[in-house]
This record gives sequence, structure tokens and C-alpha cells, in this order.
Amino acid sequence: GAVVSQHPSWVICKSGTSVKIECRSLDFQATTMFWYRQFPKQSLMLMATSNEGSKATYEQGVEKDKFLINHASLTLSTLTVTSAHPEDSSFYICSAFALADANTEAFFGQGTRLTVV
Amino acid sequence: GESVGLHLPTLSVQEGDNSIINCAYSNSASDYFIWYKQESGKGPQFIIDIRSNMDKRQGQRVTVLLNKTVKHLSLQIAATQPGDSAVYFCADTDKLIFGTGTRLQVFP
Repeated sequence: GAVVSQHPSWVICKSGTSVKIECRSLDFQATTMFWYRQFPKQSLMLMATSNEGSKATYEQGVEKDKFLINHASLTLSTLTVTSAHPEDSSFYICSAFALADANTEAFFGQGTRLTVV
Repeated sequence: GESVGLHLPTLSVQEGDNSIINCAYSNSASDYFIWYKQESGKGPQFIIDIRSNMDKRQGQRVTVLLNKTVKHLSLQIAATQPGDSAVYFCADTDKLIFGTGTRLQVFP
């Protein structure tokens, strides 16, 4: 099936620095990718919808200036957590839709564990 | 606002028994749902999907039931195995919004 690769799988950064997370569709083109944040023992919360060639659509309560999304190509979307703080520590996951057996299915990256110290 | 939620946060079953995980949604326009399994520290994995023109769909050991009248989904896992232990989410693919998740624990 389709593969979505997310990098890095984990990162530790100092408070105040920025961290970039990459999400790549390896064998298909994704005009739309989704970015999620997941805190321990909670569900995946949709942060934003990344659209290739245009601005991302952010969910209510998500600061677009803090979580910068760039979808410059059909196979790559990046999420940059700017001026990270300890409360940004979380599990970040991306996904993209692709055709699978005549159905559209969402494929997920492996996730990125961000720890801000 | 729209939501997709689950009734039970944790479900404990004995190995070999059948498991039923429930999910409610509020968006009447939703026409495609997916169940995902998420193991600790990993991204969600697709289990099974169902479109709104269906009431039931079966996979390998899993069955999804959709009741559009009451906006309710259920995932049935037959002969539950230890490897089924994970958190299960249903998602409405309109915007790929996830429910709160149910943790399935399988004990011997």
C-alpha cells in the first residue's frame, strides 16, 4: 500500500528553538496532508490541513504563526514548531489520502515524538 | 461543532472472546468512516472502512456496523488476540476527525 514517511521519529529541543517535522508520500502524490497532535492517552487532534501550493487550513485554537506548515510539493509537507515550549511536547502525526483498492484511504506517518526541555 | 466520539474509554476482554467497540458521530453529512488501530508510540493503522450506503462490512476477523439512523458505528473483533491490544479510533473522513479512542486490553 501507499507509504507516508515522517521524519524525525523523535526530537528533543531546547525551549525557544524551532523544530521542523517532515512528512513525505513515498509512492504517491498527495495534494492534501493532515497534521495531528496527540497527547498521552488522548485522541489525535487535527491541527491543520496542508494543501499543496496554497495556505494551510488551521483548526480552531491552533496558532498558525506558531505551527508553520509548508506544502511546497505533491510529496512533501513540513510542520515547523516555532519557539517551542515544554507544553508543545507531544506526538505529532501526519497523514495523506491515497487510492487503495479503488477506495480512498488515509495513510499515516510513523509519528514524531517532540520533547521540549 | 461536529464530533466523533466513543462511548467507552477502556475495554478488557479475554483472549478468544469477541470485542465490540462503539463510536458515535454527529455530522449527518458524513458518508465515509474508517476504523484505525494505534499501538503505543506509533501512527494509526487502517483496519476497515465503510461507506454510508452500507450497513455492514466484513474483513478478516473484523466487522464494522453502521447505523445511520442513530449515527452510530461499531467495530467487532472476533476471537480477540493479544496482538489486538491497542487503542482503536473511528474517523469521519470528511475532515479526518478522530473520536476519543477506546483502549482494548486482552488478557489470557
